Amino acid sequence: DAMVIQNPRYQVTQFGKPVTLSCSQTLNHNVMYWYQQKSSQAPKLLFHYYDKDFNNEADTPDNFQSRRPNTSFCFLDIRSPGLGDAAMYLCATSRDLAGVHKSGEQYFGPGTRLTVT
Amino acid sequence: AQTVTQSQPEMSVQEAETVTLSCTYDTSESDYYLFWYKQPPSRQMILVIRQEAYKQQNATENRFSVNFQKAAKSFSLKISDSQLGDAAMYFCAYRSAAGGSQGNLIFGKGTKLSVKP
Repeated sequence: DAMVIQNPRYQVTQFGKPVTLSCSQTLNHNVMYWYQQKSSQAPKLLFHYYDKDFNNEADTPDNFQSRRPNTSFCFLDIRSPGLGDAAMYLCATSRDLAGVHKSGEQYFGPGTRLTVT
Repeated sequence: AQTVTQSQPEMSVQEAETVTLSCTYDTSESDYYLFWYKQPPSRQMILVIRQEAYKQQNATENRFSVNFQKAAKSFSLKISDSQLGDAAMYFCAYRSAAGGSQGNLIFGKGTKLSVKP
């Protein structure tokens, strides 16, 4: 089945220790997104890739970086995790960005729950 | 900037009955898309239903239907014959048909739906 896969599902890291979260997709979608979702809140977009073009949200901290080495994979790197970075991180994909008669609906992975100790 | 408001933080419904979740949004655009996403506890977010603003007909997907009132900027979700598996957080989301970062998903804060047996 075509899907969005995130590994690991649970990640524990130490304060200040770099961590990488992984996302892969078999949908062959052009766009991949990373969201941060804190408890009982809506997801917050961090950045997205349209093919190889990287688009950072204005309020995404510099501590968060992303890489997309190919169509299928996208990584979220947190260079120096703080306690406030503990959250669920959601990866999503869409075939295209939204446009006229293109809804750009997004398909989400199961998420990685990050704990910072 | 567009905003999405879900005024009901929590809702409850008896199994087999009908429940309506409210969503209002604010935009000056005429071309956009609206979505309802479902996020069960500890499970991934899935798309429930999508509505294109240029379509007057309300979208339906099996037991799920929407009441889209474009002039009133209202987009409510009706769940008929509620099942225990419908218990989840429901997010209303808006996406502009414009390109670039204007096309990002804008989520409401969510409504937590409980289903009583």
